[in-house]
Amino acid sequence: NAGVTQTPKFQVLKTGQSMTLQCAQDMNHEYMSWYRQDPGMGLRLIHYSVGAGITDQGEVPNGYNVSRSTTEDFPLRLLSAAPSQTSVYFCASREDSRPYEQYFGPGTRLTVT
Amino acid sequence: AQSVTQLGSHVSVSEGALVLLRCNYSSSVPPYLFWYVQYPNQGLQLLLKYTSAATLVKGINGFEAEFKKSETSFHLTKPSAHMSDAAEYFCAVSAPNTGNQFYFGTGTSLTVIP
Repeated sequence: NAGVTQTPKFQVLKTGQSMTLQCAQDMNHEYMSWYRQDPGMGLRLIHYSVGAGITDQGEVPNGYNVSRSTTEDFPLRLLSAAPSQTSVYFCASREDSRPYEQYFGPGTRLTVT
Repeated sequence: AQSVTQLGSHVSVSEGALVLLRCNYSSSVPPYLFWYVQYPNQGLQLLLKYTSAATLVKGINGFEAEFKKSETSFHLTKPSAHMSDAAEYFCAVSAPNTGNQFYFGTGTSLTVIP
């Protein structure tokens, strides 16, 4: 198993550009989520999904879109990047029946200039 | 909703000394509690978790934590610090009444002084 994978590892964007952060898992987990990590703020939930076709907002959803067309993939879209979105982004997944077993991806470091 | 407070954003200890990282949580129902470690420029690694079994939880790398309901605490300890323990540590809480969403503390950066 590859676990949770994220691409790219690093990305630099200009203000106003759009991009998609990719996240995939091969563990057949129902639940997937996106967090952002900022210094002194810990990790904050952006969006999550409890299964294909179902998504919901977390604590800091503004400026981000998600969709879940398959169990394996959960991409995060920035429609018009802003410097405030400079952060490290982590994707995570878990089984619904084991809510205490959450697996994190390696992260994507995004800089918006 | 749940919340987590980590007291002390920076903690320094001498090599060989006791490590104590503090975590207090808020939850209206019995929670799951977690400690994660993050080394520079890396992802999160689970150190240990509490899932309502034994209140004293042992994790990897010699760390342990004790769930104290009366104090709403889940402090992380290690008897003897190693240089390799220098990292950022995050406490997190989740509970069934909020869909088992994870709520993270703001982190504690541990420095180990030789």
